[in-house]
Amino acid sequence: GQNIDQPTEMTATEGAIVQINCTYQTSGFNGLFWYQQHAGEAPTFLSYNVLDGLEEKGRFSSFLSRSKGYSYLLLKELQMKDSASYLCAVRDENYQLIWGAGTKLIIKP
Amino acid sequence: IAGITQAPTSQILAAGRRMTLRCTQDMRHNAMYWYRQDLGLGLRLIHYSNTAGTTGKGEVPDGYSVSRANTDDFPLTLASAVPSQTSVYFCASSVASGNTGELFFGEGSRLTVL
Repeated sequence: GQNIDQPTEMTATEGAIVQINCTYQTSGFNGLFWYQQHAGEAPTFLSYNVLDGLEEKGRFSSFLSRSKGYSYLLLKELQMKDSASYLCAVRDENYQLIWGAGTKLIIKP
Repeated sequence: IAGITQAPTSQILAAGRRMTLRCTQDMRHNAMYWYRQDLGLGLRLIHYSNTAGTTGKGEVPDGYSVSRANTDDFPLTLASAVPSQTSVYFCASSVASGNTGELFFGEGSRLTVL
């Protein structure tokens, strides 16, 4: 079966750095996405990786290792507004998105 | 720019009733999707449409139907609602199916079936 694993919840301190991991087992691979979802709101796109390596976008970076079936989202200089759920999704061989359950990130002052 | 609009935002429904969730986008995206989101589970695809006039079944299609008469509208119908269909429903769109771009989501419709 297809599976996306990510931690259920993480806590970090304002101003710090946090890494949210995602491991996947899917039928084929056609890209990995990270989305941010604030409570009660719609998911919004953060990043897309299809090749191995690090993609940096401001305070957020996303890393992919296809051989390990592994990705992480790195958030730097955490702000209170970063408190949200972070969703990992993989596009499989049929170009269907398989979603993880999300990681709820709690930022403390 | 509205993006994707869903209606209603929230609804309480008696079991056995018929319900249509509306979804309209103004971005001229070809592909549209309906997902449900339940606590502890990832987003699950109900139905999708790669282009106007075509639809397909997702991971959890039973009890739901869709239509895509034009590019902008993609309504989701529950013919006879059951309590297990209590969920938050998100409509989404993308420029094209299978592309490398992002999904744009509506604000969600929270449905409670009693």
